[in-house]
Amino acid sequence: SQQGEEDPQALSIQEGENATMNCSYKTSINNLQWYRQNSGRGLVHLILIRSNEREKHSGRLRVTLDTSKKSSSLLITASRAADTASYFCATALRRDSSYKLIFGSGTRLLVRP
Amino acid sequence: NAGVTQTPKFQVLKTGQSMTLQCAQDMNHEYMSWYRQDPGMGLRLIHYSVGAGITDQGEVPNGYNVSRSTTEDFPLRLLSAAPSQTSVYFCASSTAGTGASNQPQHFGDGTRLSIL
Repeated sequence: SQQGEEDPQALSIQEGENATMNCSYKTSINNLQWYRQNSGRGLVHLILIRSNEREKHSGRLRVTLDTSKKSSSLLITASRAADTASYFCATALRRDSSYKLIFGSGTRLLVRP
Repeated sequence: NAGVTQTPKFQVLKTGQSMTLQCAQDMNHEYMSWYRQDPGMGLRLIHYSVGAGITDQGEVPNGYNVSRSTTEDFPLRLLSAAPSQTSVYFCASSTAGTGASNQPQHFGDGTRLSIL
C-alpha cells in the first residue's frame, strides 16, 4: 500500500477560502514534500519540509509536520481558481546510499470562481 | 533550459509489442526515476537511478527495464506490453546535493500509453 495517504480525496471550495489537505505516512522519513499537478501536466514541486522542522511557509502555502503522528498538512490561504489542481505528498525513504520517493494518491482541489 | 523531456507524448501499442519511453534532462541531475500514474492510485515508482551505471527497482518494476549509460538519459523499456501497463508514465530528476532525499524532483509532462 502507499506510504503516504492524502485526505480528503477531493475538496471543493469557493475562491478566497482556505484549503487544507492532510497527509499521513507509515514509516520514519528524512523529509516530506508537497507537489501540485495541473490536469494533463507533470508534477511541480511546491515545498519540502525536513523531519526536524515543524512548520514551513512559502507565499500562500503553509506546511506543518508532526512526526509523532506521522502526518503533515498543506494549507493554501486565500485560494484562487488557478489553484485548482491535484496535490500530492511524497516521503523520502532512505535505503543504503540511495532513496525512494513515494507519493500518496493525492487530493483533487476545485476552487470555484 | 528544457528541463525534463519525455517522448513520445502519446503511444498506442498492441499486446506483446515492445517499446522504449525516452527521458532526457539537461540539468546534470544525478538522480532520475520513472513513475506510473493510474486513476485513484497516485504515482508508483517503477525504477530509479542514482547515477550513470546504477539503477534500482521501485515499487512496481515487473515488466519494465531501465539502463543509465549517461547522466542525461534514462529510458524505460516495456519488454512485452500488457493491457495492465496502460497508464501515464512520468520521468523525474533531481540533484543529489548533500543527500539525494532532500532535493525536489523535476518532472516531465508524461507519456500517455494505451495498450490494446
